[in-house]
Amino acid sequence: GENVEQHPSTLSVQEGDSAVIKCTYSDSASNYFPWYKQELGKRPQLIIDIRSNVGEKKDQRIAVTLNKTAKHFSLHITETQPEDSAVYFCAASDAGNMLTFGGGTRLMVKP
Amino acid sequence: DGGITQSPKYLFRKEGQNVTLSCEQNLNHDAMYWYRQDPGQGLRLIYYSQIVNDFQKGDIAEGYSVSREKKESFPLTVTSAQKNPTAFYLCASSLDRGSSYNSPLHFGNGTRLTVT
Repeated sequence: GENVEQHPSTLSVQEGDSAVIKCTYSDSASNYFPWYKQELGKRPQLIIDIRSNVGEKKDQRIAVTLNKTAKHFSLHITETQPEDSAVYFCAASDAGNMLTFGGGTRLMVKP
Repeated sequence: DGGITQSPKYLFRKEGQNVTLSCEQNLNHDAMYWYRQDPGQGLRLIYYSQIVNDFQKGDIAEGYSVSREKKESFPLTVTSAQKNPTAFYLCASSLDRGSSYNSPLHFGNGTRLTVT
C-alpha cells in the first residue's frame, strides 16, 4: 500500500519568514495530493490540493509543488503569520482514491 | 463546514466498556470514514463506507465496529477488545467513493475519548 513520509515533524520560524514542509510517497499510481491544516483542538481543514498532472499550484501565501519522478511534494508558506501556527498534514490518494496521511508537521510562527 | 457533526466532544469510559461515537452528515455525501489520531501522529484509517449498508476495514480496524444503515449516519463502536482506545477520533465524508480533487475529504470536529 501507499506510504507517506513527512518532514520535519516540528518547524519553528520567525514571523515573516517562509516555511517549507516536504512529503514523499511510495505509490507511483497516486494521483491526488491534498494538504490539511489542523489548529489546536479543531478539525483538519483542506488548505490546498494538487492533481498529478499539475506541477505547481499557488493560492495567495501558500503553494504546493509536485515532483512525480522523485515522488515528492512540498508545501510552501510565505510571509508567515502567527495564525499559520498549526499542525499540517500531507496526504496522497492512490488509484483507489483512498488517502494515506503523513505524520504531520507542527509549525510554530514566533511573533 | 458545519455539515459533519460528531458527538459528544469529550467522552470518558471505564476500561472494559463498549462505547459508541456518533457521526452525522447533511452534505449528501456517499462516502464516510473514521480516523484515529494519536498525539504527534498522523491520521490512521479505522473503517470506511462508500455506500449504505456496506463498509470496509481500514488499516487499524481491530477492536472497532461500524454500521451504515443510513446515508447520513456512520457510528463507530469502540469495543473492549481495543487495547489502547484513548485517542482523538475524527469522522470524515466525501462526495464520491474515495477522496479526489473533485471529492475532497471533509472532517467533523472530532471526539476525544478517554478510557481509564
